[in-house]
Amino acid sequence: QKEVEQDPGPLSVPEGAIVSLNCTYSNSAFQYFMWYRQYSRKGPELLMYTYSSGNKEDGRFTAQVDKSSKYISLFIRDSQPSDSATYLCASFAGGTSYGKLTFGQGTILTVHP
Amino acid sequence: DVKVTQSSRYLVKRTGEKVFLECVQDMDHENMFWYRQDPGLGLRLIYFSYDVKMKEKGDIPEGYSVSREKKERFSLILESASTNQTSMYLCASSLESLGNEQYFGPGTRLTVT
Repeated sequence: QKEVEQDPGPLSVPEGAIVSLNCTYSNSAFQYFMWYRQYSRKGPELLMYTYSSGNKEDGRFTAQVDKSSKYISLFIRDSQPSDSATYLCASFAGGTSYGKLTFGQGTILTVHP
Repeated sequence: DVKVTQSSRYLVKRTGEKVFLECVQDMDHENMFWYRQDPGLGLRLIYFSYDVKMKEKGDIPEGYSVSREKKERFSLILESASTNQTSMYLCASSLESLGNEQYFGPGTRLTVT
């Protein structure tokens, strides 16, 4: 079993829709959670970063972590065609992990006009 | 802005060739990583390094080696390329004091024929 599981999709939504992207993880030591966005033929870029449980909002994006159920979510409101990309969740434990992240498989999102 | 550069965007090599992929970062980051990315499998860690001349195996090190002689440069070596090493290779770097956010290069699409 992978330590971080993510539904690869693909997910296709109309412009303006609310998008929900989800991951589950199995390692109880994970404390830091990230969402990366990767456009076609580019490297991933950090989109959201949260520590422990709770919500974090940044514009149209909300990241949510529920440590009790080991569930990580990213919500995109008023989705735009420019949001079309692959979204990767990632986690790490902190401490002496040397910054090693564990990634989910990535979800391919297409927002059509 | 952090910049991570990779020596080639596209590379075609023959089976059995020795292949060098170079990665350079310009922000004095201590941690550097090599991943490969395949459809449906997400990012898989090959090797990482937390200091000059220090290296650790990731999840799929077989068939690969690495070199870090200078802090800014991390090389991935395919000793004898095989067709199952055809993939997208991504380099990343991070700084522990900055929360371990990983900054990625644009990737090298390697095809082994």
